[in-house]
Amino acid sequence: DVKVTQSSRYLVKRTGEKVFLECVQDMDHENMFWYRQDPGLGLRLIYFSYDVKMKEKGDIPEGYSVSREKKERFSLILESASTNQTSMYLCASRGVAGELFFGEGSRLTVL
Amino acid sequence: QKEVEQNSGPLSVPEGAIASLNCTYSDRGSQSFFWYRQYSGKSPELIMSIYSNGDKEDGRFTAQLNKASQYVSLLIRDSQPSDSATYLCARFGSNYKLTFGKGTLLTVNP
Repeated sequence: DVKVTQSSRYLVKRTGEKVFLECVQDMDHENMFWYRQDPGLGLRLIYFSYDVKMKEKGDIPEGYSVSREKKERFSLILESASTNQTSMYLCASRGVAGELFFGEGSRLTVL
Repeated sequence: QKEVEQNSGPLSVPEGAIASLNCTYSDRGSQSFFWYRQYSGKSPELIMSIYSNGDKEDGRFTAQLNKASQYVSLLIRDSQPSDSATYLCARFGSNYKLTFGKGTLLTVNP
């Protein structure tokens, strides 16, 4: 089974802090994704990565950056957290048929 | 037009009934379609994928795809209370991204 692991399930941060969300997959998938999910807005794509050191902006990249130094690891960075970034963050990797496998999610609260 | 639209719900069915979830999409270049189930507070899990026109059955689940009508559906037969969740439709299209609908909340009443 595919395993996508997100390092933190729950985080509470203060406005202006730098936040790192880590994601690791064990299936040697090339493509990895970061989404956020908010009530009424569904899943929205923040960034994705085709391969190591490759990244593409998704639909809502403002206020976020990403890092992919190793194939198995894809990190989401909030340079200066704001209250409107309070959300559930979901990492996923893509299988050969296009399907996504999600991690358990990281619920971030910014005070 | 939104890329992927689902019947907004919520949908409520009695235990043992057939639940029908529907999804339309706007990108005719869409290649692959997926249904995910998401329990409250959990992440989405893949339950069905479908790539060609027609029906695909897996246990109590049947996915139906009609590319001409740009329509994909999920039928859940013999619905159980454990099927109560939000169901997300997604399509993998020509832009190499997986786009999701906003989901339909299904409640199966005992």
